[in-house]
Amino acid sequence: QVQLVQSGAEVKKPGSSVRVSCKASGGTVNNYAISWVRQVPGQGLEWMGEIIPVFHTTNHAQKFQGRVTITVDESTNTSHMELSSLRFEDAAVYYCARDLPRSPGGGVFDVWGQGTKVTVSA
Amino acid sequence: DIQMTQSPSTLSASVGDRVTITCRASQNIVNHLNWYQQKPGKAPKLLIYSASSLQSGVPLRFSGGGSGADFTLTINILQPEDFATYYCQQNYSKFPYTFGHGTKLENK
Repeated sequence: QVQLVQSGAEVKKPGSSVRVSCKASGGTVNNYAISWVRQVPGQGLEWMGEIIPVFHTTNHAQKFQGRVTITVDESTNTSHMELSSLRFEDAAVYYCARDLPRSPGGGVFDVWGQGTKVTVSA
Repeated sequence: DIQMTQSPSTLSASVGDRVTITCRASQNIVNHLNWYQQKPGKAPKLLIYSASSLQSGVPLRFSGGGSGADFTLTINILQPEDFATYYCQQNYSKFPYTFGHGTKLENK
């Protein structure tokens, strides 16, 4: 059974960048799309974008276009999400999530990382 | 973007009750609707996908229905571990995938 294990909490200054990692254990990250979803404290869930490793293609929500970079390192079975030009409102818990293997078209998230808290503070 | 509207935002119920949460999409999304459960400090957990398909390992008391733009999540015989926040999510359009704002199910 695949598990996704994320990197630890980060504290960043406004204007800087943060890179969050998501390592797959018990399986390969290569065969399924990996999405990144964030949750501002006390609020709902927001999809940021995805990478489809087998094609090395990415899709992003327009809101994050130009600020988010999602990559995958097949040699380490890890996906990375980098968010640049951080603002106070980017403070959130960031999750990686895997597409349900048999879902047509993607976008059904059956395995989630534990979440990474990102604090933005001057 | 496709907007997802859940109701109610908060629902008070007791163990043993039957509860229903509704989710409305801003356009026809056929059956591309999923439901997640989230407990405090934890990642969301997939319950239902494609409107009515029960995810492996999820108890049979959870069921989903609907099509087009109107959907429901029903929990039969509420158990203590079911008190959580529930989110619907559409995967009809990935530009972007969108979630409802959540329904907090609390113990009456």
